[in-house]
Amino acid sequence: GQQLNQSPQSMFIQEGEDVSMNCTSSSIFNTWLWYKQDPGEGPVLLIALYKAGELTSNGRLTAQFGITRKDSFLNISASIPSDVGIYFCAGRQPSGANSKLTFGKGITLSVRP
Amino acid sequence: NAGVMQNPRHLVRRRGQEARLRCSPMKGHSHVYWYRQLPEEGLKFMVYLQKENIIDESGMPKERFSAEFPKEGPSILRIQQVVRGDSAAYFCASSPPRDTGELFFGEGSRLTVL
Repeated sequence: GQQLNQSPQSMFIQEGEDVSMNCTSSSIFNTWLWYKQDPGEGPVLLIALYKAGELTSNGRLTAQFGITRKDSFLNISASIPSDVGIYFCAGRQPSGANSKLTFGKGITLSVRP
Repeated sequence: NAGVMQNPRHLVRRRGQEARLRCSPMKGHSHVYWYRQLPEEGLKFMVYLQKENIIDESGMPKERFSAEFPKEGPSILRIQQVVRGDSAAYFCASSPPRDTGELFFGEGSRLTVL
């Protein structure tokens, strides 16, 4: 099946720093989404992107839908301890309404106080 | 406004037993998806259902696994004759009738097979 690539597997930053995460694919996606998962919880939707080139913000989070439709990035500014968690990118291919999302393996973010 | 409800949150089964996981979608949502997550892995799609219909089961193992979403009641993911490799977190997500591409996840059901 199609894969979304997220690397590195883990990132360690200092509180107050900005961090950027990438997600790439060899295939085109027509919707990109970013989720955050805390330990023992379900993924929570952070940002959804629908158009190539689209740049969307949600508080300290900013995400962009790549122009080629094969990548997306998420930026977190001025990180705080509660930003700790696993960040997943997800995409949906142009294969019909309400079709499934494909997920990356996630990036575990650690924030040092 | 209740979110996606899954139960049980934790389930322990011995090899060979059956596991039943239940999912009630968000109010007004008519599409249900099941995903499986292994430790330190992403979410792997299993099945997509609407009421009384399986739309896409391309991620379901061919044997022992089945899913349903009846006209009344929650969606059920059923695993027969469980094996240790079935131990994982199983997440249900729902989406509204209007196609937004957004899935909303429950808290998950964590299955441990002894």
